[in-house]
Amino acid sequence: GNSVTQMEGPVTLSEEAFLTINCTYTATGYPSLFWYVQYPGEGLQLLLKATKADDKGSNKGFEATYRKETTSFHLEKGSVQVSDSAVYFCALSWGEKLTFGTGTRLTIIP
Amino acid sequence: DTGVSQDPRHKITKRGQNVTFRCDPISEHNRLYWYRQTLGQGPEFLTYFQNEAQLEKSRLLSDRFSAERPKGSFSTLEIQRTEQGDSAMYLCASSFTSTGQGEFFGPGTRLTVL
Repeated sequence: GNSVTQMEGPVTLSEEAFLTINCTYTATGYPSLFWYVQYPGEGLQLLLKATKADDKGSNKGFEATYRKETTSFHLEKGSVQVSDSAVYFCALSWGEKLTFGTGTRLTIIP
Repeated sequence: DTGVSQDPRHKITKRGQNVTFRCDPISEHNRLYWYRQTLGQGPEFLTYFQNEAQLEKSRLLSDRFSAERPKGSFSTLEIQRTEQGDSAMYLCASSFTSTGQGEFFGPGTRLTVL
């Protein structure tokens, strides 16, 4: 079946550091890939998406590239801010529902 | 549009009681989804509707769970004879047509079964 494996947390970085959160997937066919973010006390928000191989999704300085050859969709940001502290979920859709990873908690310290 | 809303935000109940949650999707969205999220895990799919038709149910959705979307707008999720293992965050999401463009999530209902 479909599954998503993402980097275990928690991850703690200093402000302005470079961020990578790894995500790999297993799926039949070619799913759409997503990163969702959950800020403290808030609901899940769609951060970015990519619907086919080699697509790059980007939003709020975050980027992720759909790599079919490595079945990966790693999340990156060049310079993180304290306000980026949240839980990040990688997800795929193939069919009519989303399959999520377990989430990575990111804490940015000033 | 104010987004997806869920009510209540928190529910505490005793084991064996019935509970019902409501979800109001984004008005133009024809698809509505229910997920469950336990601590430290990602959301897990429970069921989804296209308009008023319930098209898929996860094996996680035992016979004690029932969901409806009677007029293709809001939806309810009922849990009968609650068990402590039902304690979780119940998330509702909506989208227009397929999930290929992503789903929009509500804030969730946190259920605690004592």
